[in-house]
Amino acid sequence: DADVTQTPRNRITKTGKRIMLECSQTKGHDRMYWYRQDPGLGLRLIYYSFDVKDINKGEISDGYSVSRQAQAKFSLSLESAIPNQTALYFCATSGPGTGSGSYNEQFFGPGTRLTVL
Amino acid sequence: TQLLEQSPQFLSIQEGENLTVYCNSSSVFSSLQWYRQEPGEGPVLLVTVVTGGEVKKLKRLTFQFGDARKDSSLHITAAQPGDTGLYLCAGEEDSGYALNFGKGTSLLVTP
Repeated sequence: DADVTQTPRNRITKTGKRIMLECSQTKGHDRMYWYRQDPGLGLRLIYYSFDVKDINKGEISDGYSVSRQAQAKFSLSLESAIPNQTALYFCATSGPGTGSGSYNEQFFGPGTRLTVL
Repeated sequence: TQLLEQSPQFLSIQEGENLTVYCNSSSVFSSLQWYRQEPGEGPVLLVTVVTGGEVKKLKRLTFQFGDARKDSSLHITAAQPGDTGLYLCAGEEDSGYALNFGKGTSLLVTP
């Protein structure tokens, strides 16, 4: 089973709709991140959370919100989707967890391809 | 602000050739990671370098961290089609709050 899972994998929606992307992890990591990836722009950080009670804005948080429901779950919401939010969205985790990982090594989910019409 | 500049942006070579991609910055990093991303998947961590001048090898891939911890290179020997993908470097500044990613080098290795 994958250590970091994202749902849905693909989503097509219309302008103005509310969308939630979900991320779950079984790595026992306390840090979780949301990125978007656009051609030519690379990976850009939207929000990050260092533990359940800690939420921080990243480089491009406008138009997005997040919720850290538990150590293993971190969801990203688009309250009113717009076409320029069409992108690949990735969740990532880091931390010692149950293995020998470290905070600077991130593990990514498979991504969600979101299209806003 | 894009702290990490990767070059080249695109690279298309034939199987068996050698190549080097670069990751440069004016900032000092406490650590730097290289990831590979295949189409339709998330980035996968290849290596982390921490010490200035450090060299790490992963089969045919050689990673080097600059002496001043501002830059890094990835050298692939005898490239194979399975090396095809997007190579991303990411640096952790001393503030340590999150990683800064470069835009990536897209590598295509043809048989």
